[in-house]
Amino acid sequence: DGGITQSPKYLFRKEGQNVTLSCEQNLNHDAMYWYRQDPGQGLRLIYYSQIVNDFQKGDIAEGYSVSREKKESFPLTVTSAQKNPTAFYLCASSMGSLYGYTFGSGTRLTVV
Amino acid sequence: AQRVTQPEKLLSVFKGAPVELKCNYSYSGSPELFWYVQYSRQRLQLLLRHISRESIKGFTADLNKGETSFHLKKPFAQEEDSAMYYCALGVILTGGGNKLTFGTGTQLKVEL
Repeated sequence: DGGITQSPKYLFRKEGQNVTLSCEQNLNHDAMYWYRQDPGQGLRLIYYSQIVNDFQKGDIAEGYSVSREKKESFPLTVTSAQKNPTAFYLCASSMGSLYGYTFGSGTRLTVV
Repeated sequence: AQRVTQPEKLLSVFKGAPVELKCNYSYSGSPELFWYVQYSRQRLQLLLRHISRESIKGFTADLNKGETSFHLKKPFAQEEDSAMYYCALGVILTGGGNKLTFGTGTQLKVEL
Protein backbone atom coordinates (compact mmCIF):
# COMPACT_ATOMS: atom_id res chain seq x y z
CA ASP A 1 0.00 0.00 0.00
CA GLY A 2 1.80 3.13 -1.22
CA GLY A 3 1.89 6.34 0.75
CA ILE A 4 3.63 8.54 3.26
CA THR A 5 4.08 7.51 6.86
CA GLN A 6 4.79 9.99 9.61
CA SER A 7 5.74 8.95 13.11
CA PRO A 8 5.05 9.37 15.88
CA LYS A 9 1.50 10.69 15.76
CA TYR A 10 1.96 12.58 19.03
CA LEU A 11 5.22 13.79 20.50
CA PHE A 12 5.97 15.59 23.73
CA ARG A 13 9.18 17.51 24.20
CA LYS A 14 10.70 19.16 27.20
CA GLU A 15 12.09 22.63 26.77
CA GLY A 16 15.72 22.52 25.63
CA GLN A 17 15.45 19.13 23.95
CA ASN A 18 15.88 18.28 20.30
CA VAL A 19 13.35 15.90 18.78
CA THR A 20 13.22 14.19 15.40
CA LEU A 21 10.05 13.59 13.39
CA SER A 22 10.09 10.74 10.94
CA CYS A 23 8.74 10.83 7.37
CA GLU A 24 8.97 7.83 5.03
CA GLN A 25 7.44 7.40 1.57
CA ASN A 26 7.27 4.43 -0.78
CA LEU A 27 5.83 6.35 -3.73
CA ASN A 28 9.20 6.74 -5.45
CA HIS A 29 8.76 10.51 -5.36
CA ASP A 30 11.87 12.64 -5.78
CA ALA A 31 10.63 15.71 -3.92
CA MET A 32 9.74 15.86 -0.23
CA TYR A 33 8.55 18.70 1.97
CA TRP A 34 7.95 19.66 5.58
CA TYR A 35 5.18 22.06 6.53
CA ARG A 36 4.02 23.42 9.83
CA GLN A 37 0.27 23.90 10.34
CA ASP A 38 -0.97 26.39 12.96
CA PRO A 39 -4.58 27.48 13.49
CA GLY A 40 -5.39 30.56 11.43
CA GLN A 41 -2.02 30.52 9.65
CA GLY A 42 -2.46 27.73 7.15
CA LEU A 43 0.57 25.70 6.15
CA ARG A 44 4.03 27.21 6.16
CA LEU A 45 7.00 25.60 4.44
CA ILE A 46 9.92 24.64 6.68
CA TYR A 47 12.29 22.70 4.37
CA TYR A 48 12.11 20.90 1.06
CA SER A 49 14.24 18.49 -0.88
CA GLN A 50 14.13 17.84 -4.61
CA ILE A 51 16.68 15.02 -4.70
CA VAL A 52 18.73 12.88 -2.35
CA ASN A 53 21.52 14.69 -0.49
CA ASP A 54 20.07 18.09 -1.33
CA PHE A 55 17.60 20.26 0.59
CA GLN A 56 16.62 23.91 0.77
CA LYS A 57 15.24 26.20 3.45
CA GLY A 58 11.63 27.17 3.23
CA ASP A 59 9.94 30.21 4.71
CA ILE A 60 10.36 29.32 8.40
CA ALA A 61 13.51 27.17 8.62
CA GLU A 62 15.00 28.75 11.75
CA GLY A 63 15.24 26.26 14.60
CA TYR A 64 14.79 23.24 12.31
CA SER A 65 17.14 20.88 10.48
CA VAL A 66 16.67 18.07 7.97
CA SER A 67 18.60 15.38 6.15
CA ARG A 68 17.93 13.46 2.93
CA GLU A 69 20.26 10.49 2.85
CA LYS A 70 17.73 8.20 1.17
CA LYS A 71 15.04 8.90 -1.38
CA GLU A 72 12.40 7.38 0.89
CA SER A 73 13.23 9.29 4.05
CA PHE A 74 13.19 12.98 5.05
CA PRO A 75 13.42 13.37 8.85
CA LEU A 76 12.89 16.73 10.52
CA THR A 77 14.68 17.72 13.71
CA VAL A 78 13.11 20.40 15.86
CA THR A 79 15.96 21.92 17.82
CA SER A 80 15.99 23.78 21.09
CA ALA A 81 16.52 26.96 19.07
CA GLN A 82 12.94 26.81 17.76
CA LYS A 83 11.15 29.27 20.01
CA ASN A 84 7.60 28.08 19.49
CA PRO A 85 7.70 24.45 18.41
CA THR A 86 4.23 23.39 19.54
CA ALA A 87 2.40 22.74 16.27
CA PHE A 88 1.11 20.17 13.83
CA TYR A 89 3.81 19.06 11.37
CA LEU A 90 3.00 17.71 7.92
CA CYS A 91 5.29 15.90 5.54
CA ALA A 92 4.53 15.67 1.82
CA SER A 93 6.02 14.27 -1.35
CA SER A 94 5.55 14.99 -5.03
CA MET A 95 6.31 13.32 -8.33
CA GLY A 96 6.33 16.56 -10.26
CA SER A 97 5.12 20.09 -10.44
CA LEU A 98 1.77 19.38 -12.08
CA TYR A 99 0.64 16.54 -9.84
CA GLY A 100 0.28 18.21 -6.48
CA TYR A 101 1.43 16.71 -3.23
CA THR A 102 0.67 13.57 -1.24
CA PHE A 103 0.55 14.32 2.47
CA GLY A 104 1.25 12.25 5.53
CA SER A 105 -1.14 12.11 8.47
CA GLY A 106 0.97 14.50 10.54
CA THR A 107 2.75 14.66 13.89
CA ARG A 108 1.45 16.83 16.71
CA LEU A 109 4.35 18.15 18.76
CA THR A 110 3.75 19.65 22.19
CA VAL A 111 6.36 21.27 24.39
CA VAL A 112 5.81 20.52 28.08
CA ALA B 1 7.16 36.82 -3.52
CA GLN B 2 4.09 34.71 -3.98
CA ARG B 3 1.06 35.03 -1.77
CA VAL B 4 -2.32 33.30 -1.45
CA THR B 5 -5.28 34.96 0.21
CA GLN B 6 -8.42 33.21 1.41
CA PRO B 7 -10.51 36.00 2.92
CA GLU B 8 -13.03 33.84 4.76
CA LYS B 9 -12.03 31.79 7.78
CA LEU B 10 -15.48 30.23 8.01
CA LEU B 11 -18.23 29.82 5.45
CA SER B 12 -21.57 28.44 6.54
CA VAL B 13 -24.20 27.41 3.96
CA PHE B 14 -27.35 25.33 3.96
CA LYS B 15 -27.52 21.96 2.25
CA GLY B 16 -28.47 22.42 -1.40
CA ALA B 17 -27.23 26.02 -1.54
CA PRO B 18 -24.43 27.10 -3.88
CA VAL B 19 -20.92 27.30 -2.48
CA GLU B 20 -18.10 29.63 -3.46
CA LEU B 21 -14.80 29.57 -1.61
CA LYS B 22 -12.67 32.54 -2.55
CA CYS B 23 -8.98 32.44 -3.38
CA ASN B 24 -6.80 35.24 -4.71
CA TYR B 25 -3.12 34.98 -5.47
CA SER B 26 -0.14 37.20 -6.10
CA TYR B 27 2.66 35.91 -8.30
CA SER B 28 4.68 37.44 -11.09
CA GLY B 29 5.18 34.20 -13.00
CA SER B 30 2.81 31.70 -14.59
CA PRO B 31 0.72 30.26 -11.76
CA GLU B 32 -0.10 26.66 -10.97
CA LEU B 33 -3.08 26.53 -8.65
CA PHE B 34 -4.56 23.80 -6.53
CA TRP B 35 -7.33 23.22 -4.04
CA TYR B 36 -6.71 20.87 -1.12
CA VAL B 37 -9.28 19.57 1.33
CA GLN B 38 -8.98 18.24 4.86
CA TYR B 39 -11.97 16.32 6.18
CA SER B 40 -12.31 15.78 9.92
CA ARG B 41 -9.69 13.30 11.18
CA GLN B 42 -8.35 12.69 7.69
CA ARG B 43 -5.15 13.77 6.03
CA LEU B 44 -4.88 16.71 3.69
CA GLN B 45 -5.63 15.63 0.13
CA LEU B 46 -5.62 17.15 -3.31
CA LEU B 47 -9.08 18.13 -4.53
CA LEU B 48 -8.35 19.60 -7.93
CA ARG B 49 -5.73 21.29 -10.11
CA HIS B 50 -6.34 24.17 -12.47
CA ILE B 51 -4.23 22.52 -15.17
CA SER B 52 -6.60 19.57 -15.50
CA ARG B 53 -9.81 21.63 -15.63
CA GLU B 54 -11.66 18.80 -13.97
CA SER B 55 -14.68 18.56 -11.71
CA ILE B 56 -14.18 16.57 -8.53
CA LYS B 57 -17.08 15.76 -6.18
CA GLY B 58 -19.07 18.43 -8.03
CA PHE B 59 -16.48 21.15 -7.35
CA THR B 60 -14.95 23.27 -10.09
CA ALA B 61 -12.45 26.11 -10.09
CA ASP B 62 -11.54 28.44 -12.90
CA LEU B 63 -8.32 30.37 -13.06
CA ASN B 64 -8.96 34.05 -13.77
CA LYS B 65 -5.61 35.63 -14.50
CA GLY B 66 -7.10 39.10 -14.89
CA GLU B 67 -8.54 39.03 -11.38
CA THR B 68 -5.76 36.73 -10.07
CA SER B 69 -8.39 34.45 -8.60
CA PHE B 70 -9.08 30.72 -8.39
CA HIS B 71 -12.41 30.46 -6.59
CA LEU B 72 -13.82 27.03 -5.76
CA LYS B 73 -17.48 26.51 -6.62
CA LYS B 74 -20.17 23.92 -6.22
CA PRO B 75 -23.79 24.46 -7.28
CA PHE B 76 -25.43 22.41 -4.51
CA ALA B 77 -23.69 21.86 -1.18
CA GLN B 78 -23.84 18.46 0.51
CA GLU B 79 -23.36 17.68 4.17
CA GLU B 80 -20.23 15.65 3.37
CA ASP B 81 -18.60 18.77 1.89
CA SER B 82 -18.03 20.13 5.40
CA ALA B 83 -14.25 20.39 5.72
CA MET B 84 -11.27 22.75 5.70
CA TYR B 85 -10.32 23.91 2.24
CA TYR B 86 -6.90 25.30 1.31
CA CYS B 87 -5.97 27.10 -1.88
CA ALA B 88 -2.34 26.65 -2.93
CA LEU B 89 -0.05 28.30 -5.48
CA GLY B 90 2.75 26.30 -7.05
CA VAL B 91 6.06 27.83 -8.04
CA ILE B 92 8.33 25.89 -10.38
CA LEU B 93 11.81 25.31 -8.99
CA THR B 94 15.05 24.85 -10.88
CA GLY B 95 15.25 21.11 -11.51
CA GLY B 96 11.56 20.59 -12.20
CA GLY B 97 10.04 20.36 -8.75
CA ASN B 98 7.62 22.80 -7.24
CA LYS B 99 7.02 24.57 -3.98
CA LEU B 100 3.49 25.20 -2.78
CA THR B 101 2.41 28.32 -0.93
CA PHE B 102 -0.86 27.80 0.93
CA GLY B 103 -3.58 30.16 1.96
CA THR B 104 -4.82 30.24 5.54
CA GLY B 105 -7.78 28.02 4.74
CA THR B 106 -11.58 28.30 4.83
CA GLN B 107 -13.68 26.08 7.05
CA LEU B 108 -16.83 25.13 5.15
CA LYS B 109 -19.81 24.12 7.26
CA VAL B 110 -22.86 22.74 5.50
CA GLU B 111 -25.95 22.91 7.66
CA LEU B 112 -29.09 20.86 7.26
